[in-house]
Amino acid sequence: NAGVTQTPKFQVLKTGQSMTLQCAQDMNHEYMSWYRQDPGMGLRLIHYSVGAGITDQGEVPNGYNVSRSTTEDFPLRLLSAAPSQTSVYFCASFAAGQGRHEQYFGPGTRLTVT
Amino acid sequence: GQSLEQPSEVTAVEGAIVQINCTYQTSGFYGLSWYQQHDGGAPTFLSYNALDGLEETGRFSSFLSRSDSYGYLLLQELQMKDSASYFCAVRREGSARQLTFGSGTQLTVLP
Repeated sequence: NAGVTQTPKFQVLKTGQSMTLQCAQDMNHEYMSWYRQDPGMGLRLIHYSVGAGITDQGEVPNGYNVSRSTTEDFPLRLLSAAPSQTSVYFCASFAAGQGRHEQYFGPGTRLTVT
Repeated sequence: GQSLEQPSEVTAVEGAIVQINCTYQTSGFYGLSWYQQHDGGAPTFLSYNALDGLEETGRFSSFLSRSDSYGYLLLQELQMKDSASYFCAVRREGSARQLTFGSGTQLTVLP
């Protein structure tokens, strides 16, 4: 299993540009999430999904959109990039069953907005 | 709202024991998780406590006291590879088992 994969690893955008960060998992997990991590800080939840076709907002959703058309994929769209969105973005997935608490994280996308 | 407090930095020497504390505030509690993150890497799951007491996994142990809203991660026989950031996390209120993370503790292990 590849686990959780993210592309690209690095990205530089100019202010106002849009782009999509890709995330895929091959563990058949129901739950998927997007977090951002700023220097010296913990992870903050952007959006999450509890299954195909179901998404919801997290703590810092403004400026981002998500969709979940399949169990495997959960892309994050930046609508109009701003310097404040410079961050490291992590995608995570986990299974929904009782007693399952481990979230699996992808390797991250390092985004710089100039 | 929810909040988690943990020390920003801890330093210890190889072979020693170190404890990383976490206090939390949340209206609904479903357990305390710990994650490890090396520089430039992804967070990886270490442990989860839903009930009071100590859970041991090899050199790492995690403790929870729900009455004190407090937990800690105990790392024994420290190795250089344990130098990393450690995050505690609680389930986020009203968001289907998503997590709220603390700001992290940077552990430096010295030779």
